[in-house]
Amino acid sequence: NAGVTQTPKFQVLKTGQSMTLQCAQDMNHNSMYWYRQDPGMGLRLIYYSASEGTTDKGEVPNGYNVSRLNKREFSLRLESAAPSQTSVYFCASRGAWEQYFGPGTRLTVT
Amino acid sequence: DQQVKQNSPSLSVQEGRISILNCDYTNSMFDYFLWYKKYPAEGPTFLISISSIKDKNEDGRFTVFLNKSAKHLSLHIVPSQPGDSAVYFCAASGLYNQGGKLIFGQGTELSVKP
Repeated sequence: NAGVTQTPKFQVLKTGQSMTLQCAQDMNHNSMYWYRQDPGMGLRLIYYSASEGTTDKGEVPNGYNVSRLNKREFSLRLESAAPSQTSVYFCASRGAWEQYFGPGTRLTVT
Repeated sequence: DQQVKQNSPSLSVQEGRISILNCDYTNSMFDYFLWYKKYPAEGPTFLISISSIKDKNEDGRFTVFLNKSAKHLSLHIVPSQPGDSAVYFCAASGLYNQGGKLIFGQGTELSVKP
C-alpha cells in the first residue's frame, strides 16, 4: 500500500516549456487535490477533483490544467511554465475528513 | 484574505517542555479542524483533528483545543521531543465546503532543542 505517489520528484524547466506532474493513489479515495507550497504562504489549493469525472478550480488555478484520468490518477499540467510557478507541488487524496499527501515535486522554472 | 492564520512563523522549545502552537480562523462556517506535521523534503502528514462539537481532542502526547467563540485552536505537545521538530500546519474545513477542501495556515516551524 503506497498511499499517494508523485512523479517526478524534481524538475527544472525553462520559461515557456510545458510539463505534466503525475499523481496516483491506491486508497480508493474519491477526492483528489493539487496544492503548491511557497515560503510563508502555507499550502494553496490549485485544483481539485471531488469525484472521478469532475474537476474544479481552487485558490490559485491560473496557468494550470488538470485531468482526472480515472479514480486513481490526477495529473497537473503546466502549459507554458513561468518563473512564478517555481514551487513545491503536492498531490493529496481524501479519506473521511483528513487528506493524505504525496512526497511532493520540487519544480524550478528558470 | 487569509481565513486561517498562524501568526508565529517559528517556535523554539526545550526537550521535555510543552510546545503550544496557535491558529486563528475567521470563517464561522468552519466546523472541522486538522493539524499536519511536515518534515523537510516530505509531504505533510495528518496528526490530529477536532470537530466543532468538541473543545478538546487528545492523542498520546498531542492535544488540540478549540475555542469557537474566539475562533482559535491550539496544539499542545507534551512532553516535546527532538523528533517533533518540523513545520506544523493547521487547516480548516466545513460541511458547506463542497469537495472537502482544506484551508491551510502559513505554518509554524517548531524546533525542539535537546
